[in-house]
Amino acid sequence: DAKTTQPTSMDCAEGRAANLPCNHSTISGNEYVYWYRQIHSQGPQYIIHGLKNNETNEMASLIITEDRKSSTLILPHATLRDTAVYYCIVRAYSGGGADGLTFGKGTHLIIQP
Amino acid sequence: DAGVIQSPRHEVTEMGQEVTLRCKPISGHDYLFWYRQTMMRGLELLIYFNNNVPIDDSGMPEDRFSAKMPNASFSTLKIQPSEPRDSAVYFCASSFGFRASSFFGPGTRLTVL
Repeated sequence: DAKTTQPTSMDCAEGRAANLPCNHSTISGNEYVYWYRQIHSQGPQYIIHGLKNNETNEMASLIITEDRKSSTLILPHATLRDTAVYYCIVRAYSGGGADGLTFGKGTHLIIQP
Repeated sequence: DAGVIQSPRHEVTEMGQEVTLRCKPISGHDYLFWYRQTMMRGLELLIYFNNNVPIDDSGMPEDRFSAKMPNASFSTLKIQPSEPRDSAVYFCASSFGFRASSFFGPGTRLTVL
């Protein structure tokens, strides 16, 4: 799997948009970008994923650059409950199976009241 | 849906004892993953199954660890004998299909004294 680089921590004011960057400069053409988050003492939670087009769901938006070497997760209106560690993961697929996720250190996002 | 169910939620045992962790995946999911999380090493994939068959166990740390999936609705992770360095939070996750997102359970916090 391609390696990802994320800032260790970020702050964001409640109600503002939180923009979390991720670099994945060695990503391959068939690798997807996934985002998960882990709220303290809970299991990781899936947020969103994409291949090359921008994606949006009820939780967040994912913006992937045209060269696919970086992406940004956007939480449009951050709340205190969004305080968590956010993981950017690039996922490779082998054969016909889904490989497990390789988690890095992630970004600790702290939403300030 | 109840989500991924893990038991017990907390386990405290003494070194040398056998420990069995249990997981019930989401009904209909065909992939099941076991992860371990520690402060030092973060989240690590231990093993995963597809249609009850172990696909990749390269993350299992040593022969003291074993995992089984006797049917589509149940999996166990066993440590025998347990050691203090096995203390961690163990997560089970399941997914459906080739490019699916994984759903994580709440985890089992294991403490080996």
